[in-house]
Amino acid sequence: AQSVTQPDIHITVSEGASLELRCNYSYGATPYLFWYVQSPGQGLQLLLKYFSGDTLVQGIKGFEAEFKRSQSSFNLRKPSVHWSDAAEYFCALPVQGAQKLVFGQGTRLTINP
Amino acid sequence: EAQVTQNPRYLITVTGKKLTVTCSQNMNHEYMSWYRQDPGLGLRQIYYSMNVEVTDKGDVPEGYKVSRKEKRNFPLILESPSPNQTSLYFCASSSGLANYNEQFFGPGTRLTVL
Repeated sequence: AQSVTQPDIHITVSEGASLELRCNYSYGATPYLFWYVQSPGQGLQLLLKYFSGDTLVQGIKGFEAEFKRSQSSFNLRKPSVHWSDAAEYFCALPVQGAQKLVFGQGTRLTINP
Repeated sequence: EAQVTQNPRYLITVTGKKLTVTCSQNMNHEYMSWYRQDPGLGLRQIYYSMNVEVTDKGDVPEGYKVSRKEKRNFPLILESPSPNQTSLYFCASSSGLANYNEQFFGPGTRLTVL
């Protein structure tokens, strides 16, 4: 069955520190993968997406993600976080011809000043 | 501005009182969908629509109805809400069903059923 797992429910990092949010997927073929961010009281905004080619994907707001087929992972990274990055982050996998997105459980990011 | 709008943004109601959450998009998207978000579960699809008059069930359709009479609108109907439908609801739209097409999300509707 297709699934997405985000092992970390909540992560706290200090402002200026590096960040890595984990995402593992289960899918029978080469997946397409998305990372979305949900700021407090807001809808979901697409940060970046992987659908082929280069396994290192650049996104908005200084985020990047690396697709690793051998590890079934698509981890999100940022070299230096800002207080405004505090939000909930979702990894998602389109399935059934993209009739739906399968989401991970989400990772809530807290930034310490 | 290209956007998906939902109304209301917040709603408190009582068990059994029919309600409708509206969703509208101005991007001429064919595909629209409803999700609910619950803590620890991420977002789960309720219903989706591939075009006008074409709707289908997602993973958690029980207790919900939808309609797609116009391309831009996709209302979510709870005919007899129950407390287990207390959740955060998101409407989304997309220009098509290619796996790489981004889904655009509305701001969410927080529903509480007492």
